[in-house]
Order: sequence, then structure tokens, then C-alpha cells
Amino acid sequence: SQQGEEDPQALSIQEGENATMNCSYKTSINNLQWYRQNSGRGLVHLILIRSNEREKHSGRLRVTLDTSKKSSSLLITASRAADTASYFCATDEGAQKLVFGQGTRLTINP
Amino acid sequence: GAGVSQSPSNKVTEKGKDVELRCDPISGHTALYWYRQSLGQGLEFLIYFQGNSAPDKSGLPSDRFSAERTGGSVSTLTIQRTQQEDSAVYLCASSPRGRGAGGHYEQYFGPGTRLTVT
Repeated sequence: SQQGEEDPQALSIQEGENATMNCSYKTSINNLQWYRQNSGRGLVHLILIRSNEREKHSGRLRVTLDTSKKSSSLLITASRAADTASYFCATDEGAQKLVFGQGTRLTINP
Repeated sequence: GAGVSQSPSNKVTEKGKDVELRCDPISGHTALYWYRQSLGQGLEFLIYFQGNSAPDKSGLPSDRFSAERTGGSVSTLTIQRTQQEDSAVYLCASSPRGRGAGGHYEQYFGPGTRLTVT
């Protein structure tokens, strides 16, 4: 099974509202990353949070990490139509590779 | 500067044929990854190259899949005797540092190759 599991699978909100997506994982990690994917093609790296960090900001993005609950959340504030995309979390698995979750499909309605 | 490029962008092939997919990583990036993504699904790890180390091939689904990275730069993913279940988008990513003490670093993705096996 995937190390990272995003929740919800799909989210539809009005432009200007905040969007929150969650990611849960099973094993210990060194860091957790969030990526965005438009139109099913290449992914764009958004933010990386290390296991010893609890919160990180980048523009309208806020990521939290709770290692005791093995979960992370991505908050997008003041959403825009251009934020419509799929969002993936990625975590270390074992010693070698990043494992991506199934993603959350976010739709921003104008 | 130039990002990760992949070619071809689309490939349609007949079942049983061999295909080669190419990835040109960002210059100077030591790590290179291949992933596969089926429609509406997450990314499935295939293979990871880090510098001159032996690649991590643990994600390759069968012995029909192979990959090489020449001169620490360009990589080719080869699928022999393609099957319909191989149809997917194949994504390549590179990273400046690969895996370090703090885990894997951010990856830069190419636009992918959409493979359709008929």
C-alpha cells in the first residue's frame, strides 16, 4: 500500500475559500514533501518539511507535520482558479525512495 | 535554465513491440528517478539512479522493464514486449542531491511520456 495516503480524494470549493488536504503515513520519515500536478503531466514541487519541523509556510501555502500522529496537512488560503490541480504528498519509505500517495483532486469554482 | 525534458511526449505502439523512453535531466543533477502513473492514480516508483552507485531497481514491475543512465546524465527506460497494462504516463524526475542524511530532496519533474499500447 502507499506510504502516503491523501484525504479527501476530491475537494471542490469556491474561489476565495481555504482548501485543506491531509496526508497520513505509516513509518518514520526524514521529510515529507507536497507536489502539485496539472493536467496529469509533470509534478511541481511545492514544499518540503523535515521531520523535526512542525509548520512551514510558502506564500499562500501552509504545511503542518505531526509525527506523533504520522500526518501532515496542506492548507491553501484564499484559493484561486489556478490552484485547480491534483496535490500529492510524498514520504520516504525504507532507505531509498520517495513514495507518493494517490493524491487529492482540488477544484476551485469561480 | 532548462528543466527536465522527456521524449517522445506521446507514444502509441502495438502490443509486443519494444519501446524506449528518454529523459534529459537538469544539468548537474546527480539523482534521476523514473515513475509510472496510470490514469487518475498516484505515482508508482520504478527506478532510482544516484551518481555512480548501483541503481535501485526495486520498483521495476517485471524483467521486461530496464533502464540505464549513460555518463551520469541522459537516461533511457526500455520496455520490451509491451503489454496493454503498460499503458500509462511515464514520468522522469531529477534532483540535485538525491538521498542524503535528511532524506530525499525535492525532485524536478519532466512533462512525461504518455504511452499507449494497442
